[in-house]
Parts: sequence; C-alpha cells; structure tokens
Amino acid sequence: QKEVEQDPGPLSVPEGAIVSLNCTYSNSAFQYFMWYRQYSRKGPELLMYTYSSGNKEDGRFTAQVDKSSKYISLFIRDSQPSDSATYLCASRGNNNDMRFGAGTRLTVKP
Amino acid sequence: EPEVTQTPSHQVTQMGQEVILRCVPISNHLYFYWYRQILGQKVEFLVSFYNNEISEKSEIFDDQFSVERPDGSNFTLKIRSTKLEDSAMYFCASLYRNTEAFFGQGTRLTVV
Repeated sequence: QKEVEQDPGPLSVPEGAIVSLNCTYSNSAFQYFMWYRQYSRKGPELLMYTYSSGNKEDGRFTAQVDKSSKYISLFIRDSQPSDSATYLCASRGNNNDMRFGAGTRLTVKP
Repeated sequence: EPEVTQTPSHQVTQMGQEVILRCVPISNHLYFYWYRQILGQKVEFLVSFYNNEISEKSEIFDDQFSVERPDGSNFTLKIRSTKLEDSAMYFCASLYRNTEAFFGQGTRLTVV
C-alpha cells in the first residue's frame, strides 16, 4: 500500500473557481503535512506546512488535516491561471523522512 | 533568502558511466535527502542522510547509488554505472529539525 495516495488528475477549472485537492495517507506516525507546488521541470516549492490536525490559511490557500480519517486537503480560492501547476502533498513522521503523493496536475483556464 | 542549490542543472551521460550530482543544502540544516522524479511520474524517495550517515533508503537506492557529505557543505549523489532507466530529475532537499523541507531546482539526468 502506498503511504500517500493522491489523485493525479488532471484537474481543469475556470479562473475564479475554488479548487479542492486531496490526499490520504496510511502511516499513523505521520505528524507533519506539506503541500508543494511544482512547475514543469522545476523543484517543488513549499506552499503550506502544518503539524497534526487542523486548518491553516495563507492568502488564497487553506490546508486542512484530519488525522482521524488520515485525510489532507488544500483549497485554493479565486484560482488564477498562474496557479496552474502540479500540486504535491507530502507527509512525514518524527524521523523526518517525507513521502509524497503522485501530484495533481491543475490547469486554471482564463 | 537561503536556498538549496544543485549542480549541474542538466547532465547527459553515456550508459555505464559514473555521474555525481551535487547539492549545497541550506547552511544550518541537519537532514538531507535525494528524491527522483521520472518525467511525468511522482516524486520518489531515494535516501535520507543525518549525522553523516544514511538514516533511510528506498528500494531504488541499490548498490549503484551512494551519497556523501565530503566537506560539511556539499551533499553528493553518485550513480556508479548509469542505466537508461536512471534518466530522471534528481532533487536534493534539506531541513533543519521538525520543520519544512526545502528543495533545490533539480538536476536533469539524461542517460544515452
């Protein structure tokens, strides 16, 4: 069983839409949850970083973690064409080894 | 702003040759990683390194791979005898301790 599962998409939305990206994980030891954005042939860029369950908001981005269901979400409000990228969820435990989901390719159409 | 730097950005090598991919992590970071991403596929964990030794490695990280932190600033990944299937983007990452990890821009390795 993969440790982090993510629907690879692709996902296409019109500009201004609310985008919901989701992952599930299997390892109960995971305590830290990240969302990275990756443009083509570039390194992953950290978007959101959360510890344990709860919500975290940063501008148009909101990350949610529900440890009881092992579910991770990223919401993007008022999506823009510049948000078009691949979004990677990642999780890790206290051993600091990260595991990534497959990445969801998002296109926001003007 | 501190960043993880990787060199070269693109490396072309012949099958069977040895390659060394180089990374300079953020200076006060303690944990170092190599990940691989085959074109169009997911980011895959290769190896993590802490306190001058490997802390975990994946099934991908076989005897053909090795890592080194030779001088306290560089962190290298060596592939001894490259195969066609080693062609991928290789990303280095580092983190301090129980914080977020930062990635370099990657080295694109092409084995011909």
